[in-house]
Amino acid sequence: QVQLVESGGGLVKPGASLRLSCAASGFTFSDHYMNWIRQAPGKGLEWLSHISGSGDNIKYADSVKGRFTISRDNAENSLYLQMNSLRAEDTAVYYCVRDFRTALLPWGQGTLVTVSS
Amino acid sequence: NFMLTQPHSVSESPGKTVTISCTRNSGSIASNYVQWYQQRPGSSPTTVIYEDDQRPSGVPDRFSGSIDRSSNSASLTISGLKTEDEADYYCQSYDTGNQVFGGGTKLTVL
Repeated sequence: QVQLVESGGGLVKPGASLRLSCAASGFTFSDHYMNWIRQAPGKGLEWLSHISGSGDNIKYADSVKGRFTISRDNAENSLYLQMNSLRAEDTAVYYCVRDFRTALLPWGQGTLVTVSS
Repeated sequence: NFMLTQPHSVSESPGKTVTISCTRNSGSIASNYVQWYQQRPGSSPTTVIYEDDQRPSGVPDRFSGSIDRSSNSASLTISGLKTEDEADYYCQSYDTGNQVFGGGTKLTVL
């Protein structure tokens, strides 16, 4: 079955960097746009970025443009999010999510990033 | 970019029917498909409706979606409410590559 497993979260200090990974299985990874979406504690969902199947079409939300970089390795069926200059407001659960037609489906279990001194 | 507005919370009794609205503030609701996601406490979101009114496999037909051009809104209707339906529900659409989420609605089944 389709599965997405995020990793790489943790506790970091403000200004630090972190790289999240997402291992995909159960589908042809290179055929799909992939997304990163986050959810701050007790808050709603915020879309951050997507990348096309080939990696040549990338888009970011204004809130992370210039600080976060999305990438993928189709040979490894993996999605990445490089996060630089982290701030307290970046504290959230980060989800890896596949595009399916016009929907976001399925969602991974998420990885928690905590930015605190 | 546009915004999607949902009621903060709704509540209804088991066995009843509830409808959650999602209103688009600019541009037509019919311009881009609307999706709905369910998020139970402590879990990741799951898709219950996509492309306005389509159910993924495994989602019971108690869940239905629709759009109303006159009110420029989408709706998620859950009939025959069960306690397991208690969750947060988010609507989502897109525009020029940006994904837009509503603020979420907490459904209480009491």
